[in-house]
Amino acid sequence: DAGVTQSPTHLIKTRGQQVTLRCSPISGHKSVSWYQQVLGQGPQFIFQYYEKEERGRGNFPDRFSARQFPNYSSELNVNALLLGDSALYLCASSLLWTSGGYNEQFFGPGTRLTVL
Amino acid sequence: GESVGLHLPTLSVQEGDNSIINCAYSNSASDYFIWYKQESGKGPQFIIDIRSNMDKRQGQRVTVLLNKTVKHLSLQIAATQPGDSAVYFCAENIAGGTSYGKLTFGQGTILTVHP
Repeated sequence: DAGVTQSPTHLIKTRGQQVTLRCSPISGHKSVSWYQQVLGQGPQFIFQYYEKEERGRGNFPDRFSARQFPNYSSELNVNALLLGDSALYLCASSLLWTSGGYNEQFFGPGTRLTVL
Repeated sequence: GESVGLHLPTLSVQEGDNSIINCAYSNSASDYFIWYKQESGKGPQFIIDIRSNMDKRQGQRVTVLLNKTVKHLSLQIAATQPGDSAVYFCAENIAGGTSYGKLTFGQGTILTVHP
């Protein structure tokens, strides 16, 4: 079975540009979460979507937005890129929208974004 | 989220030794905890989880201990192998009710296993 897939693998942008990152969850999973991982730190929660609705949002500016499609795949958009947006962007999928018990979140390999 | 520097705690062990990785969590309302392993160039991989109504849970070669009094979590790896070398993160969550699947990750610990 395929795990969580993300594209692209790597991306280089310049300040002020916009970027779109994509995520395909594990088949049957309806929840997708996005995390930002800056070098040397743990992942930080950005968004969670379940059944195409936003269910949670972390402490990120409005430049960050996301959506989930009918097939449960998701896109993360970041506008007006800053140098500080350089990070590994991780997508995680799960069956349900709450954690706990055996509702494990499975992470993809991430997209490495570099902003110059 | 947490604000930490670039210097993660490190733990170096010999192959075959037992490893203990510690984590202090921040939210006393958290009731679900997970340990993840992250290898270079990969996303975090689930190792083991524990609910707050337990103080110990065992898996294959791994044991998680939870001390809610001092908000402390530990991961014990038995007979550590070179393939265990990675960064280990603890994560906390408030499960159930109207909460959602937001995970709050700790700082991370670099484990290096020497053959």
